[in-house]
This record gives sequence, C-alpha cells and structure tokens, in this order.
Amino acid sequence: NAGVTQTPKFQVLKTGQSMTLQCAQDMNHEYMSWYRQDPGMGLRLIHYSVGAGITDQGEVPNGYNVSRSTTEDFPLRLLSAAPSQTSVYFCASSPQYSNQPQHFGDGTRLSIL
Amino acid sequence: AQTVTQSQPEMSVQEAETVTLSCTYDTSENNYYLFWYKQPPSRQMILVIRQEAYKQQNATENRFSVNFQKAAKSFSLKISDSQLGDTAMYFCAFMRIQGAQKLVFGQGTRLTINP
Repeated sequence: NAGVTQTPKFQVLKTGQSMTLQCAQDMNHEYMSWYRQDPGMGLRLIHYSVGAGITDQGEVPNGYNVSRSTTEDFPLRLLSAAPSQTSVYFCASSPQYSNQPQHFGDGTRLSIL
Repeated sequence: AQTVTQSQPEMSVQEAETVTLSCTYDTSENNYYLFWYKQPPSRQMILVIRQEAYKQQNATENRFSVNFQKAAKSFSLKISDSQLGDTAMYFCAFMRIQGAQKLVFGQGTRLTINP
C-alpha cells in the first residue's frame, strides 16, 4: 500500500516556467488537498478537492491551478512560476466526512530562480 | 476564520527530560479536532496525537499527552522521557468537524533533544 505519492521530490525552475506537481493516492480517499510550507509560517492550504470533478480554493490559491479528473490523482499546476512560489509542497488525502486523520505525501521541494 | 498560534519557535531539552510545547487557537466553532504533527528532518508529516473538542478527557499516546483547555482555547503537548528521536518540528493544527477537512496549522516549534 503506497499511500500518498508525490513526484518529483525536488525541482528547480526558472521564473516564468510552468510545471505540474503530481499527487496520487491508492486508498480511495475522497478528500485531497495541497499545502505549501514556508519557514516560520507552518503549512498553508492552497487548493482542495472533496471528490472527482470538485475543487475549491484554500488560503493561498493565487498562481496555482488544480483539477480532479479521477479519485486517485490531484495534480497542482504552476502556470508561470515566480520566486515567491519557492517552497515545500505537501499533498494530503483522507476519507471525506470521517474522523480519520489525513495522510501526507513526502513533499516536493521546489526552487524558483 | 480560525487561527493557530505557537509562541515558541525553538526549544531545547536534555534527553529523558519532560518538555511541553504550547499552542493556542481562535475559533467560534464548538466542535472541532486538534492535532499535533511531528516533522523530522526526513520531512514526513507524522500524526502524533489527536483531540476531539467534545471529549473532556485529554488524549494520550504513550509518552505523548495533551492538556486541552477548551475555554482558554489552549492545546499543549507534553513529551515525557524525551528521546533523541523526538528531535523534530512540531506543528499544532485545527480542523472543523463540519464541512471540508481543511487543516489550519500553527507556525511550528523546532524541538531539539540533546544527549
């Protein structure tokens, strides 16, 4: 059971480049979300999804797009990377409407030059 | 909107000592969950302990326990008999029971256990 898988683990981009961070889970969880982690600020919610075809914005959505075409996958897209998006990105999943804790991926460290 | 505050950016104790990490939060909700997550240098996010706000009894998990003060909106984590492997960032987090399962995190406390 792989849990939540994020790829890549590390990436360096130039300003203006586009990129997709991949997130996949094999637990049939309805709820998936993306967070970014910055020093001194904890983790902040970017976007989330309560099921296939349904997405919504979190606390810091600007500059990011998401889609949820399947239950398993929830990719995060940066259309035009900016240095302010340098961060560590975490994907998480959990069953919807339950008291089960969220499962986190191992994170993607992204640097924008 | 909910906010979570961890006022101790860094803490350091000797192995085998007891340490308490502080967390306060602000919400108008009556029912919610509170969590402590551990993030070791490997970057994994590991759930340490969870508290349901409607339960008066403080949660415990082996050497980890919480002091949940609902009226004061305080949720501290006590680590007893600290071990070198407890060295990590610790995050306090809040989640509403109703609606989407969005976690709101505090800023984190970097805990170092010294030999």
